[in-house]
Amino acid sequence: RKEVEQDPGPFNVPEGATVAFNCTYSNSASQSFFWYRQDCRKEPKLLMSVYSSGNEDGRFTAQLNRASQYISLLIRDSKLSDSATYLCVVNPGRRGKLIFGQGTELSVKP
Amino acid sequence: DAGVIQSPRHEVTEMGQEVTLRCKPISGHNSLFWYRQTMMRGLELLIYFNNNVPIDDSGMPEDRFSAKMPNASFSTLKIQPSEPRDSAVYFCASAISAGQPQHFGDGTRLSIL
Repeated sequence: RKEVEQDPGPFNVPEGATVAFNCTYSNSASQSFFWYRQDCRKEPKLLMSVYSSGNEDGRFTAQLNRASQYISLLIRDSKLSDSATYLCVVNPGRRGKLIFGQGTELSVKP
Repeated sequence: DAGVIQSPRHEVTEMGQEVTLRCKPISGHNSLFWYRQTMMRGLELLIYFNNNVPIDDSGMPEDRFSAKMPNASFSTLKIQPSEPRDSAVYFCASAISAGQPQHFGDGTRLSIL
């Protein structure tokens, strides 16, 4: 079993749609969690950290469920510019190593 | 503020040649990471350093790969001899400290012919 698993997609949605991605992790001792975004042929960029209480940044909402060991990212009112690959990232607490999921591809269409 | 700086941006070379990739982390960041990304395998951690000391090199594919961090502002990843299967995008990332969010450089696109 992979340490971090994501549905690879692609998710094809129309502009304005709400889309949700889930990610599961295997190490129950994992300490912190992040969502990164990677555009085609670019570097991964931090989108947001994920806090236990859930957190929101504009149209983006991240949630953590420690009991079930999953993380989610909700994008409301999706824009064409949201098209990218979204990477779920987990810190398992092993001396600074972050574990990246394979990514979920999102394509927002006009 | 300057981000993570990698060089070269692109490298095309023949198999058997030595390849050296360079990275300058963000000033004040104590952790540095080297990744490789391909379509088949996604983003793979090769090696990382804390305070210039290599902590985990279990991701380094084989002895042809080596990495150094002689000081807090510079690191190299060397492949010698290079092989076509080493073709990938190589990213360097840095973080303020272990476990904190990492900031990536633009990457080096490496093609070994």
